[in-house]
Amino acid sequence: DQQVKQNSPSLSVQEGRISILNCDYTNSMFDYFLWYKKYPAEGPTFLISISSIKDKNEDGRFTVFLNKSAKHLSLHIVPSQPGDSAVYFCAAITTSGTYKYIFGTGTRLKVLA
Amino acid sequence: GEEVAQTPKHLVRGEGQKAKLYCAPIKGHSYVFWYQQVLKNEFKFLISFQNENVFDETGMPKERFSAKCLPNSPCSLEIQATKLEDSAVYFCASSQIGKYQPQHFGDGTRLSIL
Repeated sequence: DQQVKQNSPSLSVQEGRISILNCDYTNSMFDYFLWYKKYPAEGPTFLISISSIKDKNEDGRFTVFLNKSAKHLSLHIVPSQPGDSAVYFCAAITTSGTYKYIFGTGTRLKVLA
Repeated sequence: GEEVAQTPKHLVRGEGQKAKLYCAPIKGHSYVFWYQQVLKNEFKFLISFQNENVFDETGMPKERFSAKCLPNSPCSLEIQATKLEDSAVYFCASSQIGKYQPQHFGDGTRLSIL
């Protein structure tokens, strides 16, 4: 039962263009969402987060949008750079009953120079 | 330290042997989490600690897996009688106390069971 889904395993984007990574979730009890970036042979690094009471959070080139009614969030990277090439994981936090991160399966982004 | 340190980077064991992985969380972080990542898929939650106390162990295969976080020592994850299916990258993460604090990950230990 995959509660957090990233349906696109991979995405290629031209340098300078916008990258849009998507994430869907099923559990309405999730109240906080995060995006992580992962390079090969390294651990994930935190990128940006959003509370369920907001619909947008921006940090430099990275913006996360949350659509609670659709149970959907997206990460926009503008402009995309070759160094952004990595695997991106979305994660949702539930505090209902316990405190746990649920990760998606990741989307591999390739930014072409 | 300022980073989560996991050792060893790579561990090779024969099927049936014991494997022990270590994690030094960031100083001042109260929570420690262990995840298993198989075939580059999602991070399967195993166990979490609040300081030296088990916080949530719902993901642990209890028959062969055990974990500890003792004061003044790295945390450890031990697998007894390893199986081929235990081959994975095991990640440790730590976070500060407080709701919604981001987890900071180590670079993982790749466990290969032959």
